[in-house]
Order: sequence, then structure tokens, then C-alpha cells
Amino acid sequence: EAQVTQNPRYLITVTGKKLTVTCSQNMNHEYMSWYRQDPGLGLRQIYYSMNVEVTDKGDVPEGYKVSRKEKRNFPLILESPSPNQTSLYFCASSSLPLASHEQYFGPGTRLTVT
Amino acid sequence: AQKVTQAQTEISVVEKEDVTLDCVYETRDTTYYLFWYKQPPSGELVFLIRRNSFDEQNEISGRYSWNFQKSTSSFNFTITASQVVDSAVYFCALSWGGANSKLTFGKGITLSVRP
Repeated sequence: EAQVTQNPRYLITVTGKKLTVTCSQNMNHEYMSWYRQDPGLGLRQIYYSMNVEVTDKGDVPEGYKVSRKEKRNFPLILESPSPNQTSLYFCASSSLPLASHEQYFGPGTRLTVT
Repeated sequence: AQKVTQAQTEISVVEKEDVTLDCVYETRDTTYYLFWYKQPPSGELVFLIRRNSFDEQNEISGRYSWNFQKSTSSFNFTITASQVVDSAVYFCALSWGGANSKLTFGKGITLSVRP
């Protein structure tokens, strides 16, 4: 089954404790992206990747890091999480440029930073 | 600056009513794409439609229809004969930057369809 998976689905952590949210897709897609969803703000793009080792900032990259060492994986790293990073996070992938094609979204990761 | 405005935040209708969700966008690009996504109460995001800036034809898919008008920078979504299963948050999105793949979402419209 074609899908985008994220782990963990739920995470409660404390300020400053480094964490990684994994994202994996089995569709051989080149393009992957991370978004955060906050009430009243919709979805905002954090980072995206056009291929292995090629990443770029979205609208809200501060406090986040990403890496793309393999085509199927695109982890999101929070080196020192803060409460304002409490949010619902979505990973997405696309076979062609995100700008012109629909994305397939993962199920979401709900992160709470206390 | 690229921007998507969904002025309606919440809409409540009774089943079988028609409902239109508005989307207004701003962009300086001549080539861009517009999308609608649905987020049902279960939380996943589901792609509904994509439209490029050169194709102003309206589209109909079952009870769903979309009206794209470049003259008013709008890409509105109409659900005909709404059903309870249409209850969801609906996002309009604008892509820009060509291969640089920037995507800007509106804040979403929460649609509640009452039986």
C-alpha cells in the first residue's frame, strides 16, 4: 500500500530535549516536505526537499532541522524544543514538483512541549 | 507576497443544502497552481483538486465543483446537496516558485453539515 508514515504519532516532551520525528514514504517520490498545523493559522511549510541531499527552507524553519540522506526518509529534528513548537506536524511527499502536483500526507504527529 | 485568504472560518449548513467555500489568492507569479485539500475529523489530509493558472475551466466532480476566476483571483469550491460526511476542514493552497516548490495554505474553513 502506497503511504507516508510518521513516527511517533503522539509525543509529549520537555523543553530542550532533542527529538526527531521520522517520515518515510514507499512511493519512490523525489519531493518531500514538512508542515505544521496550528489553530487559526492553517498549515505552514517548515522545510522541503527536492531530492537526496537537497533541502530548502519553507516559511517557518526556525528551530527545526532536516536531512535527506535517503530518498524514502525525511526526518524532522528539533534540537532544543520549546513550547511554541507544540503543534500538529505533517510530512508529505510528491512524485513531481510540489508546486504543480498533489502531495500525499502522512497521518500527522501531535507534539506537546512542556 | 504570496497569500491565500479563506475569509470564512466556520460554516454550518443543514444536510442537502448547497454550500460555497471561498478562496482568494495573491501572487506575482504568472505560473502557479491552486489546490483544495480536505481534512476530515479523523485528521488526515486528502487532496481534492489541482488547477493551473492557465486553465480557467470550471470543474465538476460528482457533488463537488470548482470555479476558478483569474480576474478576481478566486478559486471557489461548491458542494451541492451537502452530506454529513462532508463535515471537515477545507484548505485552499497556492503553489509558487516553480521547481522551488513553495506552497502556501489558507487558514482553512470548518464546514459542519447537520442532519
